[in-house]
Amino acid sequence: NAGVTQTPKFRILKIGQSMTLQCAQDMNHNYMYWYRQDPGMGLKLIYYSVGAGITDKGEVPNGYNVSRSTTEDFPLRLELAAPSQTSVYFCASSYGRGHPRDEQYFGPGTRLTVT
Amino acid sequence: DQQVKQNSPSLSVQEGRISILNCDYTNSMFDYFLWYKKYPAEGPTFLISISSIKDKNEDGRFTVFLNKSAKHLSLHIVPSQPGDSAVYFCAGRRTGSARQLTFGSGTQLTVLP
Repeated sequence: NAGVTQTPKFRILKIGQSMTLQCAQDMNHNYMYWYRQDPGMGLKLIYYSVGAGITDKGEVPNGYNVSRSTTEDFPLRLELAAPSQTSVYFCASSYGRGHPRDEQYFGPGTRLTVT
Repeated sequence: DQQVKQNSPSLSVQEGRISILNCDYTNSMFDYFLWYKKYPAEGPTFLISISSIKDKNEDGRFTVFLNKSAKHLSLHIVPSQPGDSAVYFCAGRRTGSARQLTFGSGTQLTVLP
């Protein structure tokens, strides 16, 4: 299993540009999550999904959008990038409620700089 | 409002000694607490967890203690090894179907050979 994969690893955007961060998992997990980590801070939840077709906002959703058309993929869309979105983005997945092992597994991250 | 706090940004320990990482929380709605370990340029990896109804959970060299009355948990690593050098995040999991985690800001552990 590849686990949770994220592309790209690094990206530099100009202010106002848009992009999509890709996330895929091959563990047949139901739940998927997007976090951002700013320097010296913990991870903050942006959006999450408990299954295909179901998404919901986390703690810091402004400026982002998500979709979940398949169990495997959970892309994060940035519209009109701003310097405040400079961060490291982590995607995670888990089996979800009812499974004996439902800890979250994380991808390697995407480092995004907006200038 | 920081619901999970790790007040020590860094900790240095000699190889073979005990490492103790601390975490405080304010949200009484957490039903599980988890510790994640993170190496540079990698994603966090799950280390150990504890249910809010337990006070101790042990897995090899790692033990997590939970003091609910003090809203405090700690991770003990014995004996510490140089490969344990990483950032350790404490997280609280909210009750409810989405299993949302709230993370602390992390503690950089350095184990000196």
